[in-house]
Amino acid sequence: DGGITQSPKYLFRKEGQNVTLSCEQNLNHDAMYWYRQDPGQGLRLIYYSQIVNDFQKGDIAEGYSVSREKKESFPLTVTSAQKNPTAFYLCASRTEKLMNQPQHFGDGTRLSIL
Amino acid sequence: AQKITQTQPGMFVQEKEAVTLDCTYDTSDPSYGLFWYKQPSSGEMIFLIYQGSYDQQNATEGRYSLNFQKARKSANLVISASQLGDSAMYFCAMRLSGGYQKVTFGTGTKLQVIP
Repeated sequence: DGGITQSPKYLFRKEGQNVTLSCEQNLNHDAMYWYRQDPGQGLRLIYYSQIVNDFQKGDIAEGYSVSREKKESFPLTVTSAQKNPTAFYLCASRTEKLMNQPQHFGDGTRLSIL
Repeated sequence: AQKITQTQPGMFVQEKEAVTLDCTYDTSDPSYGLFWYKQPSSGEMIFLIYQGSYDQQNATEGRYSLNFQKARKSANLVISASQLGDSAMYFCAMRLSGGYQKVTFGTGTKLQVIP
């Protein structure tokens, strides 16, 4: 089945540590996105990528980094510069071919500080 | 800049009744798409319905319909015959055409269906 796989489901970060969240899709979608969701809040865009080797900062990119070396993969690194990383992280992808195509989402990663 | 506003943090509805969830948007781009998603407590995002800015008719998908008022820049979701399984967070989102197609979400509305 086609879809988006995020791993791990739960992740714990120590002070001063960088951690990487994985996002893989087999939908052949060009665009991929990372969102952060705090409890009871909406989704805030961290980074998005429309094509391989290109990505754009979203609204809250500080303390995060991404890469897009392959079409299928869009990993997110939460760096030690992100002082409040505890949140639910959602990865999404979509095709750019048609305007009416929705984003497909993974099941998310819950990140907490130890 | 594009912006989505959902002014209802929480809503209650009696089972089998209809409910309207509000969404207003702001953009100067004439071409855009509006999406509604449902997020149950488990966290996954479920696509419900889409409305394009040039669509002449309001979108409908089963029990979901979109009350699109372009002049008012509103795209309210109407859920008919509410079911207990409709209890969830609901998000409105907008995507502009052209260039980097950033998708912006509102803050969401938590809907609780009462038996």
